[in-house]
Amino acid sequence: AQSVAQPEDQVNVAEGNPLTVKCTYSVSGNPYLFWYVQYPNRGLQFLLKYITGDNLVKGSYGFEAEFNKSQTSFHLKKPSALVSDSALYFCAVRALISSGSARQLTFGSGTQLTVLP
Amino acid sequence: GAVVSQHPSRVICKSGTSVKIECRSLDFQATTMFWYRQFPKQSLMLMATSNEGSKATYEQGVEKDKFLINHASLTLSTLTVTSAHPEDSSFYICSASKPGQPNTGELFFGEGSRLTVL
Repeated sequence: AQSVAQPEDQVNVAEGNPLTVKCTYSVSGNPYLFWYVQYPNRGLQFLLKYITGDNLVKGSYGFEAEFNKSQTSFHLKKPSALVSDSALYFCAVRALISSGSARQLTFGSGTQLTVLP
Repeated sequence: GAVVSQHPSRVICKSGTSVKIECRSLDFQATTMFWYRQFPKQSLMLMATSNEGSKATYEQGVEKDKFLINHASLTLSTLTVTSAHPEDSSFYICSASKPGQPNTGELFFGEGSRLTVL
């Protein structure tokens, strides 16, 4: 089975400060990892993904995430937070197993990020 | 990117009535679409996978007779909540992935539909 854990329900950070939203995963095959953002009463928007290659992935709006296989983590980061970054963030994982078929995308529970002015 | 449109964004209905929610991929053909349900301040729960031209695959615990899914074309999937009750009130979101990228491609989400059953 595959699972995703976002240990923090809420993250508060001051505008201009660096932010980190944590994510750890558990899969039996190679993981495909994604970050999405959701604004109130809206669908999810794709931020970035890790498929293979460089462990540091850069995405939309200045966000980046680092894939750490030994720690099974994929934390979302941004060097300088903006008030407009305040939203609900979801980490997601999909495992590609040896047969070549894919599993469903599994989402974490979400982390509410609040950037304080 | 790609655009997925969902309609209606909000719907209020009386208990016992049926409600249809449409999900359209506007600039690509989606052989597979996904329907999620989201409760307040919670994650997305996958309800079913909608495959064009065939029956939807429902997740365990989701009543297929309650939540009817039809994927009649490569750009349209519909979710019908039949005989809705207040406990069906929720935020329903559809998504699709581009052809040729079922595993590595990101999902493109609709804006969601807020259903309130009185």
